[in-house]
Amino acid sequence: GAVVSQHPSRVICKSGTSVKIECRSLDFQATTMFWYRQFPKKSLMLMATSNEGSKATYEQGVEKDKFLINHASLTLSTLTVTSAHPEDSSFYICSANVQLIAKNIQYFGAGTRLSVL
Amino acid sequence: EDQVTQSPEALRLQEGESSSLNCSYTVSGLRGLFWYRQDPGKGPEFLFTLYSAGEEKEKERLKATLTKKESFLHITAPKPEDSATYLCAVQAGDDKIIFGKGTRLHILP
Repeated sequence: GAVVSQHPSRVICKSGTSVKIECRSLDFQATTMFWYRQFPKKSLMLMATSNEGSKATYEQGVEKDKFLINHASLTLSTLTVTSAHPEDSSFYICSANVQLIAKNIQYFGAGTRLSVL
Repeated sequence: EDQVTQSPEALRLQEGESSSLNCSYTVSGLRGLFWYRQDPGKGPEFLFTLYSAGEEKEKERLKATLTKKESFLHITAPKPEDSATYLCAVQAGDDKIIFGKGTRLHILP
């Protein structure tokens, strides 16, 4: 079964509205979560690293005021696309990182398809 | 059920000892197969995308190949800096991305 739950799986919104995407780790605590974006025919592009209790680290070229990330608990990170525009339409995927003894395991959500009209 | 299985789970090689990592998959309507490299505590670093059986891609010491059922990541004469976890992921026809659990590769100097 899934160990990372991402919701919603699909969202359609009007231009100018804000959209929140949730990423939850199930049955484990995730101090670090990652948010990715995927363009058609392209692989995932890392947008930001979300750290519980601190500010997210954004990759170069990603607008932090546009893509708000909140990692308020060890099991939940949210990505809010503010004032969405058609060019924000994309596939967003999160992943949660858990570190065990001698292992660093990353689990991924199933993704969210955002369509901005 | 769509599934991605990577093997082995972990692999230790001597520097210069070539080997291959396997990614077996069952998915409806494959749109793409991705290989990533991940260092501890960091997000995956994209390596390759393969779209159709028979396709091959190379980058430095790495070469990825794809068949209808599996992909191999061949590593030739590896160096200690190649030590990392290598992730395979497939994208199905419904956009869903399914990742394998990765192969932890350790290259001994």
